[in-house]
Amino acid sequence: EVQLLESGGGLVQPGGSLRLSCAASGFTFSSFAMGWVRQAPGKGLEWVSALNAGGTTTYYADSVKGRFTISRDNSKNTMYLQMNSLRSEDTAVYYCGKRAPYCTTIFSGVDVWGQGTTVTVSS
Amino acid sequence: QSALTQPPSASGSPGQSVTISCTGTSSDVGGYNYVSWYQQHPAKAPNLLIYEVTKRPSGVPDRFSGSKSGNTASLTVSGLQAEDEADYYCSSYAGSNNVGVFGGGTKLTVL
Repeated sequence: EVQLLESGGGLVQPGGSLRLSCAASGFTFSSFAMGWVRQAPGKGLEWVSALNAGGTTTYYADSVKGRFTISRDNSKNTMYLQMNSLRSEDTAVYYCGKRAPYCTTIFSGVDVWGQGTTVTVSS
Repeated sequence: QSALTQPPSASGSPGQSVTISCTGTSSDVGGYNYVSWYQQHPAKAPNLLIYEVTKRPSGVPDRFSGSKSGNTASLTVSGLQAEDEADYYCSSYAGSNNVGVFGGGTKLTVL
């Protein structure tokens, strides 16, 4: 079964850091672009970041550029999101997702999502 | 990276059809055939309904269909069923140096 499992969320003070992980199983992780989408409480979905299968090309939303770093370890079937200088507006459920095999780019279709991990930035 | 524009709500009775619009610009929706639609039930992860404007993943009922004209994409849900009540989000590729962009979401109510 294809599965994504996020971890690493929690409560952090403004200005603090967290590292989210997304562990993949059931598919050839190294063949697929991956990404992070977040959803603030009661709000819509927002692309945060993504990277290609090899981890050599990365994409960031303007709202997180310079503060967040996406990476992957294909030997461990795991993607990461290092979040620094956290702000209250970063409070959200963070979902990881994989590119659908029939899509050209992850931004044209995500077929598998994790269950989400909650990040709360508050003093 | 401005959000795409969707109506905040839509509704219809069981068996009816509803169409949800998604308006962007020539830099996203109008510039590429990479529009997708997601369904999200409360406290659940999104579910891919439509990709590349009109295509349906295996397992998605053919009651769901997508189209595009200019900078506006649309999702039509035919033969509304109670389980279709959910939030619907459009998304588009926005160029090679950008993350994708989502719409603000439309809450579909089945009356």
